[in-house]
Amino acid sequence: AQSVTQLDSQVPVFEEAPVELRCNYSSSVSVYLFWYVQYPNQGLQLLLKYLSGSTLVKGINGFEAEFNKSQTSFHLRKPSVHISDTAEYFCAVSGQAGGSYIPTFGRGTSLIVHP
Amino acid sequence: NAGVTQTPKFQVLKTGQSMTLQCAQDMNHNSMYWYRQDPGMGLRLIYYSASEGTTDKGEVPNGYNVSRLNKREFSLRLESAAPSQTSVYFCASSEGTGPEPQHFGDGTRLSIL
Repeated sequence: AQSVTQLDSQVPVFEEAPVELRCNYSSSVSVYLFWYVQYPNQGLQLLLKYLSGSTLVKGINGFEAEFNKSQTSFHLRKPSVHISDTAEYFCAVSGQAGGSYIPTFGRGTSLIVHP
Repeated sequence: NAGVTQTPKFQVLKTGQSMTLQCAQDMNHNSMYWYRQDPGMGLRLIYYSASEGTTDKGEVPNGYNVSRLNKREFSLRLESAAPSQTSVYFCASSEGTGPEPQHFGDGTRLSIL
């Protein structure tokens, strides 16, 4: 079984400040992790993914995430946020179910960037 | 470059009515998925299709049926709509059955009165 916990439902931050969105996972098998972003009235878009290799993963729009196996975490960071980063962010873990890899999504973190 | 297209974008139904949500992808992907998104609940998988001709239940399949019409199209049907099915429905696709990222449509906002 696999699960994802996003520790904050809402994160307010001022423009140009750094931000960290926290994600913890549990999985009994190999771990594949994703962060997606959802802008209002749109579907989810992939920000970045961890499949293997380097534990620091860089994504689009200046975001990065670090896979920490011992802490079972995959936190998302950005050193300086913009107003346009205001959106809902979802962490997901993908594990095998039968012959397919099916993702489990967290409940989402709403990032609110204030001017 | 359409990606994943969902129709309709909005719909209001009365309790007991039936409806089919349509989804089509133009990326030649093998796997397709239907999710529902409710406030504070994230995305929950309703059904998925690993390949043309196969469908499997997800976390919340009750009250829904699906059809993988061909490789491009995957429809979701509500036979007798209930207020609890008021939600935003997303269709997604992925290249195969591995741990690949998913590509999402823009959603169908469904209200059941």
